[in-house]
Amino acid sequence: AQSVTQPDIHITVSEGASLELRCNYSYGATPYLFWYVQSPGQGLQLLLKYFSGDTLVQGIKGFEAEFKRSQSSFNLRKPSVHWSDAAEYFCAVGAQDGNKLVFGAGTILRVKS
Amino acid sequence: DVKVTQSSRYLVKRTGEKVFLECVQDMDHENMFWYRQDPGLGLRLIYFSYDVKMKEKGDIPEGYSVSREKKERFSLILESASTNQTSMYLCASRIRGGTGPLHFGNGTRLTVT
Repeated sequence: AQSVTQPDIHITVSEGASLELRCNYSYGATPYLFWYVQSPGQGLQLLLKYFSGDTLVQGIKGFEAEFKRSQSSFNLRKPSVHWSDAAEYFCAVGAQDGNKLVFGAGTILRVKS
Repeated sequence: DVKVTQSSRYLVKRTGEKVFLECVQDMDHENMFWYRQDPGLGLRLIYFSYDVKMKEKGDIPEGYSVSREKKERFSLILESASTNQTSMYLCASRIRGGTGPLHFGNGTRLTVT
């Protein structure tokens, strides 16, 4: 069965510090991987996605993620966090049609000044 | 910009009531989705629709039904609301095929008392 694990429920980082959010997945076929962000009171917005090719993908707002097949991971990174990055982040895996995504439980990011 | 509008931001209903959650999208997307979001569980797919009058069960369809009579509108129905259906409900849409993202509404927080 497909699943996504985000090991960290909460993460707190200082503004300007680097960030890495972890995501591990279990999927029986070629995985298509996504990171979404949810700001308070809002719906989810796509940050980036990986379908094939270069395993380091760039997204919006300065985020990037690296696909590591051997580790079944798709970790999200940002070199310097801004206070506006405080939100909840969701990793998701699915098939290419994107219709039955499985989401992780989410990681809440807090940014301290 | 794609806009997905959920008719209510907050709803309070009593146990046993029939509840309708409405969602409208303005970008002519073929596919529409209803997710339930609970803390620690992430998003779970209830139902999705890939065309008018077409629907497919997601991971947690029990206790829910859906209706799609027009392309732009997708309704989630709780036939007899129960307290364990208290949750945040998110509607999303996406274009059929390709690698387009899910576009989410801002959610409806339903409380069943």
